[in-house]
Amino acid sequence: EADIYQTPRYLVIGTGKKITLECSQTMGHDKMYWYQQDPGMELHLIHYSYGVNSTEKGDLSSESTVSRIRTEHFPLTLESARPSHTSQYLCASSGGVGYTFGSGTRLTVV
Amino acid sequence: GDSVTQMEGPVTLSEEAFLTINCTYTATGYPSLFWYVQYPGEGLQLLLKATKADDKGSNKGFEATYRKETTSFHLEKGSVQVSDSAVYFCALSEGGTGFQKLVFGTGTRLLVSP
Repeated sequence: EADIYQTPRYLVIGTGKKITLECSQTMGHDKMYWYQQDPGMELHLIHYSYGVNSTEKGDLSSESTVSRIRTEHFPLTLESARPSHTSQYLCASSGGVGYTFGSGTRLTVV
Repeated sequence: GDSVTQMEGPVTLSEEAFLTINCTYTATGYPSLFWYVQYPGEGLQLLLKATKADDKGSNKGFEATYRKETTSFHLEKGSVQVSDSAVYFCALSEGGTGFQKLVFGTGTRLLVSP
């Protein structure tokens, strides 16, 4: 049973639309992360959070934004989607050593 | 900064063959090391981990030993199955006991044929 949930699993959306990718975890972890995975499989950290009201940009510059109002919830928002945002987005959390990942959201912008 | 280098794929094997996927790392401290597996259309799952030198992580027939002298953490399995076909990521954790950030290799795709 998954302890970290991402919705939707798949999303096809038109250019210019605003979207929010949801990520929730039930483990009480303070640290949460968003990764973007390109078609070549490589993982790029785009956002992370130490805890409530803490958010930081990751190694890869991203036009997305995140918020952390509750421990369990770490949504990612794109204000205006573009085809270059087409990718898989993976959310993860950590309570110690190592991460637990969600199943991912595969986003396609047409 | 810290980095992880994995062998390029795809690795193509027949069922019951022996598997090795090489992984080496560069780190300034004493990181923890991980192997994650990603099945098609899924997120990453932790396969095994080792937190200090000479530790051996194992799970589902897979093994990897933390070798500080060669800065390596090679993944092995004695007899692969078709169901092992997936992408395998080697990773290290930097940040000590503070903020943990995982650094991933580029992934190695394994294809196992019947």
